[in-house]
Amino acid sequence: KAGVTQTPRYLIKTRGQQVTLSCSPISGHRSVSWYQQTPGQGLQFLFEYFSETQRNKGNFPGRFSGRQFSNSRSEMNVSTLELGDSALYLCASSLGVGMGNTEAFFGQGTRLTVV
Amino acid sequence: AQSVTQLDSHVSVSEGTPVLLRCNYSSSYSPSLFWYVQHPNKGLQLLLKYTSAATLVKGINGFEAEFKKSETSFHLTKPSAHMSDAAEYFCVSEGYNQGGKLIFGQGTELSVKP
Repeated sequence: KAGVTQTPRYLIKTRGQQVTLSCSPISGHRSVSWYQQTPGQGLQFLFEYFSETQRNKGNFPGRFSGRQFSNSRSEMNVSTLELGDSALYLCASSLGVGMGNTEAFFGQGTRLTVV
Repeated sequence: AQSVTQLDSHVSVSEGTPVLLRCNYSSSYSPSLFWYVQHPNKGLQLLLKYTSAATLVKGINGFEAEFKKSETSFHLTKPSAHMSDAAEYFCVSEGYNQGGKLIFGQGTELSVKP
């Protein structure tokens, strides 16, 4: 069974630009979560989508947004990029239904560098 | 609020010696708990999970963890470290009634000396 696929793997953008990252979850998984990983802050939860609805959101500014499509694929968008947005962005997929079903499978991540 | 605390930011062991990575969780209930491993420039791989069945959980690559409710701990152990175990390890809790949200500890970097 194919794992979680994130594209692209690496991105370099300029301050002020916007970027879209993509995540294809494991077949049958309806929950997709996004995390930002930086050396200083560790892993921080961005948001989670389940059946095309945002079910939970972390403490990030409105420049960070996401969406999920009917096939469960998800995208996240960051507008007006800042240097501090440089990070590894990880996508996780899970069944997402009921407690104890949050076992998540992670993609390889997208390394975003803002210059 | 729920939280996960990894008590050591860095642990160094010699190859062939035991590994102990410590984790405490804070929750008013017994959540599902996980240990993930991350090798450099890679995503996270699930090592093992606790979901209120047996308190001693066995995972991949010889790792195991014991859930102790009285101590709110979920420490990760391995009897004999291998060079390939060098990586960052994350103790993770599911968020209570928070959908698929996971709560991560700050991570423990494990170094293995030859």
